[in-house]
Amino acid sequence: EPEVTQTPSHQVTQMGQEVILRCVPISNHLYFYWYRQILGQKVEFLVSFYNNEISEKSEIFDDQFSVERPDGSNFTLKIRSTKLEDSAMYFCASSGARHVYNEQFFGPGTRLTVL
Amino acid sequence: AQKVTQAQTEISVVEKEDVTLDCVYETRDTTYYLFWYKQPPSGELVFLIRRNSFDEQNEISGRYSWNFQKSTSSFNFTITASQVVDSAVYFCALSEAEGGSEKLVFGKGMKLTVNP
Repeated sequence: EPEVTQTPSHQVTQMGQEVILRCVPISNHLYFYWYRQILGQKVEFLVSFYNNEISEKSEIFDDQFSVERPDGSNFTLKIRSTKLEDSAMYFCASSGARHVYNEQFFGPGTRLTVL
Repeated sequence: AQKVTQAQTEISVVEKEDVTLDCVYETRDTTYYLFWYKQPPSGELVFLIRRNSFDEQNEISGRYSWNFQKSTSSFNFTITASQVVDSAVYFCALSEAEGGSEKLVFGKGMKLTVNP
């Protein structure tokens, strides 16, 4: 069964460093998303991406964040200068169509720890 | 603004008990979608069900059942004859279809512990 994959599973970084979180969505999917979950809290939407551009972003997704689909398979989230409060689990998701037709399939997550 | 409330934060039951997880939502849209996701201790998010706002029919899938009531803006989830493997955090989520938004808005989650 096709699935969303994410690498690395755990990333430890120093405050101020740049990190890139990688996702491989399900191959025929067109809509891509990033969410984050601070430990013990709810899952929060960050950004949605379609047709090589951001379609929606939350207030969390400030100038420190960017997303990219550098090739036909990967979808990346970059945090330019990490802060302590960026420590969280980051989930990538994809769907084959707008959610009105298809659910979002989530990857296993990348746990980011900022020291 | 859309909002999802899961009033229960944690429930502990003994195996074979039935348990109902409550979810209340707020939205101004007439067209919207409701979801339940399961997050086991391993951390991934597992899709359980999606319901659109025009379909109030209750659904049963094995030991799982869902009760959607628009009149009370609730979408409750019942696990019948719970098992230890049901231990997880369960999230209810809402997505508004009007306005083109794709995002899921999650509740805070409810941690279910099923003891043998």
